[in-house]
Amino acid sequence: SAVISQKPSRDICQRGTSLTIQCQVDSQVTMMFWYRQQPGQSLTLIATANQGSEATYESGFVIDKFPISRPNLTFSTLTVSNMSPEDSSIYLCSVEAPRRTQYFGPGTRLLVL
Amino acid sequence: GENVEQHPSTLSVQEGDSAVIKCTYSDSASNYFPWYKQELGKGPQLIIDIRSNVGEKKDQRIAVTLNKTAKHFSLHITETQPEDSAVYFCAASSNDYKLSFGAGTTVTVRA
Repeated sequence: SAVISQKPSRDICQRGTSLTIQCQVDSQVTMMFWYRQQPGQSLTLIATANQGSEATYESGFVIDKFPISRPNLTFSTLTVSNMSPEDSSIYLCSVEAPRRTQYFGPGTRLLVL
Repeated sequence: GENVEQHPSTLSVQEGDSAVIKCTYSDSASNYFPWYKQELGKGPQLIIDIRSNVGEKKDQRIAVTLNKTAKHFSLHITETQPEDSAVYFCAASSNDYKLSFGAGTTVTVRA
């Protein structure tokens, strides 16, 4: 399975600011995804990070709020912009491995005050 | 879109007993069904998965069954141990690779 790291692992931010989360995988992967997990809740797909083109966002998520970069096949960033307390969540990246399995990173725990 | 329902939301079992978690899905096009285990402070860990051309799959103490006709699949953990305590998520996807997750089951194994 792929080894995935995320930075930062956790952060406390003030409302109105932005935070960029990094996701690094130890091998080249075609598909990378970003999920949000609100406190005590399940996982919700934010977007698919496409290498060399714009990310594909799910209903309810927009590029202005969650801009995503994917400069190569091992790295992606998710920015949470103009944060409010409602953005307090765990943000997870995942990668698609052979045979459609998905592996998740350890997550970034964000608290917005 | 796909809707995955998961039951129960919490499950408490005595060490050594079995645990069963059930999920139903709505999209008949779904053909891939993974299960994840999430421990406190960690990301979800893939523990087992099943594809629509298979009815049952087993890996040591963990097994998953799939009933395509009824659109439901289940996770079975036998001989539970304290380290099995975690939140378990089922998920489903079709050929678009997007995973739709159930709400999760908090499993507590009592020593």
